[in-house]
Amino acid sequence: KNEVEQSPQNLTAQEGEFITINCSYSVGISALHWLQQHPGGGIVSLFMLSSGKKKHGRLIATINIQEKHSSLHITASHPRDSAVYICAGVFMDSNYQLIWGAGTKLIIKP
Amino acid sequence: GAGVSQSPSNKVTEKGKDVELRCDPISGHTALYWYRQSLGQGLEFLIYFQGNSAPDKSGLPSDRFSAERTGGSVSTLTIQRTQQEDSAVYLCASSSGLANYEQYFGPGTRLTVT
Repeated sequence: KNEVEQSPQNLTAQEGEFITINCSYSVGISALHWLQQHPGGGIVSLFMLSSGKKKHGRLIATINIQEKHSSLHITASHPRDSAVYICAGVFMDSNYQLIWGAGTKLIIKP
Repeated sequence: GAGVSQSPSNKVTEKGKDVELRCDPISGHTALYWYRQSLGQGLEFLIYFQGNSAPDKSGLPSDRFSAERTGGSVSTLTIQRTQQEDSAVYLCASSSGLANYEQYFGPGTRLTVT
C-alpha cells in the first residue's frame, strides 16, 4: 500500500523554537514534496527532494532514501510560520500523482 | 512570472446546478492536475492530464465530474447536478511533466453547494 505518514498532527511552539516535522513513506515513492497551506487554503510548494538536503531561508528539508523518511525543519520559528505543512510523495507508477500525508498543523505563539 | 491561476475564487451554487471551474496552468507546463480538499480532509486526487495523452481519470468520485483540457493549456472541471458533498476547495496544479518535477499550485476555488 502506498502511504505517507506524517507526525505530529498538531504542534504548538513558542516563537524562536526549532521545529521539526517528520514524514515516513512507503516503497514506490520516488520523491517528496513539502507544501505549506495557510488558513485561506492556498498551497505553496516549499521543496521537492529525492535525495539529500535542501535549504531555503529558515526552512530545511532532508530525506533519507534508505530509511524512507524525510524531515522539515524551521529554524528561529516565527508566528507567520503558522500553517499546515503537508508532505506528499511522488508515486512513480501512477503518472506522478501525489500521495498526501495528513498534514501537520503548526502554531507558533509570540 | 505568472503562476497557476484559477477562477472563480469562490462559487456558491444551489444543489442540482452545474458548475464549471477553470484552471490556467503555467505556460509551457504539459502536466495538469486537479485535486480537491473537503472540510477537515486531506487532499484528494481527481484527474491528471499529460500532453496529448488520455487523461488519468481514476480519482473522479462519480460520473457527475468531468474535465477537459483544451489545446494542452486551460482546463475546465465540470460538476453536474451538484450535491452538498461536492462542497470543497478545488485545487489545480501544473508541472513540466517530466519525472519528479515540482507541481505548482493555484489558489483554489472554494465551492459551496447550498
